[in-house]
Amino acid sequence: QQQVKQSPQSLIVQKGGISIINCAYENTAFDYFPWYQQFPGKGPALLIAIRPDVSEKKEGRFTISFNKSAKQFSLHIMDSQPGDSATYFCAAFEGVTSGTYKYIFGTGTRLKVLA
Amino acid sequence: DGGITQSPKYLFRKEGQNVTLSCEQNLNHDAMYWYRQDPGQGLRLIYYSQIVNDFQKGDIAEGYSVSREKKESFPLTVTSAQKNPTAFYLCASNRGGNTGELFFGEGSRLTVL
Repeated sequence: QQQVKQSPQSLIVQKGGISIINCAYENTAFDYFPWYQQFPGKGPALLIAIRPDVSEKKEGRFTISFNKSAKQFSLHIMDSQPGDSATYFCAAFEGVTSGTYKYIFGTGTRLKVLA
Repeated sequence: DGGITQSPKYLFRKEGQNVTLSCEQNLNHDAMYWYRQDPGQGLRLIYYSQIVNDFQKGDIAEGYSVSREKKESFPLTVTSAQKNPTAFYLCASNRGGNTGELFFGEGSRLTVL
C-alpha cells in the first residue's frame, strides 16, 4: 500500500559533496510535499516543503526539485556536512482535493556524511 | 514553550496486556495523528483526528484504538490484538485542513517482552 516510494534506502557522502534523495508518487490528489529530518531517538522535524505549482524551492543548502508530470520530487543537500547525518523522509499530503487530510511517508533514507 | 509531549518515552509490556500511550499538545492544533515507525518501513499511519470526538483509521489501525475527548489530547491504546506491537510510536499535530507543517513529538518506544 506504499503510495510514496523513496530511494535510496541508505546513502554515504563525503563532506562537501551533494546528497540526493528521490521520491515518486502515484496519487494525483497529493497537494503538499514536505521533507522531514530525523535524528536517532527523536521525532522528525520539517526541513523544507513544496506545493505542486512550483518546480523548485531552495532554503540554504537544501533544495527540492519537483516534476509534476513525472510525479517525482527530490531533495538535494549541497555542501553536505557531518551534522546532516540523519534519516530523511519524504512525504505527501492529501488535503482539500480529496478531503482526506492525511500525510503519507516514504520509507526513509539513512544519510551518513563522512568527515 | 509550545509542543507535543508523549509519555512514557520507554515502555515494556508483557504479551496479552493492553497499554496506552499518551499524547498531549499545547499548540492549539485541531488535527492529531499517530504513526508507527519500524526500521526500513518509514512512518505508517495508525489513526488520525481532525476535530474533537471524531477520528479516522489509517493504514494499519488493526489492534489499536484511540479517543479524542479533548482538543489537546489523543491517547493511543495498543491492544493485545496487535500481533507485533514492538515499535517506535510517534504522535503529531497540525492546525488542520490544508495547512501544511506537521509537528512531531519525541516518540514512545514500546517493547513487548
